[in-house]
Amino acid sequence: SAVISQKPSRDICQRGTSLTIQCQVDSQVTMMFWYRQQPGQSLTLIATANQGSEATYESGFVIDKFPISRPNLTFSTLTVSNMSPEDSSIYLCSVDMGPNGYTFGSGTRLTVV
Amino acid sequence: QQPVQSPQAVILREGEDAVINCSSSKALYSVHWYRQKHGEAPIFLMILLKGGEQKGHDKISASFNEKKQQSSLYLTASQLSYSGTYFCGSMNSGYSTLTFGKGTMLLVSP
Repeated sequence: SAVISQKPSRDICQRGTSLTIQCQVDSQVTMMFWYRQQPGQSLTLIATANQGSEATYESGFVIDKFPISRPNLTFSTLTVSNMSPEDSSIYLCSVDMGPNGYTFGSGTRLTVV
Repeated sequence: QQPVQSPQAVILREGEDAVINCSSSKALYSVHWYRQKHGEAPIFLMILLKGGEQKGHDKISASFNEKKQQSSLYLTASQLSYSGTYFCGSMNSGYSTLTFGKGTMLLVSP
């Protein structure tokens, strides 16, 4: 299975600012997924990032708020823009390893004050 | 469509068994099971692809009833290390994305 390095692991940010989260995979993958998990809740898919095309966003998530880059097959970034306290959450990237299921990054715990 | 998990929480003594259910209102292509410990990322347990399929390793197994659109995770002779939140994830086709249920919190006490 893949190994994903996700940075930063946590951050405390001022409202109105932006934070960029990075994920590096140790192998080439076609799709990368970005999830949000609020404390004690389930994982909600934000978007699917394909290399060479625009990300596909789920209902309730928009590109202006969560711009995603996917410059190559091993790397992706998610930016949380113009943050408010409601954006406080854990953000996780993941990749589909087929019969080995989804592998997740270690997560970014974001607190907006 | 989010799959529905039950129960919401289970408390067990070490050595006891538990069953966690996952059902969908839409036809299922595959079901995934994950365990997440507090402060950690979810860890993949198993994937079930075919109706009626049953899989397992060690004392954790799962079944998938395609007709009933449901899957069950079986934990036998539970160990302290089984504590965590269990999520099922469903895919409705080979091209859809993985949608997670709300999770079942499992606590195993000595």
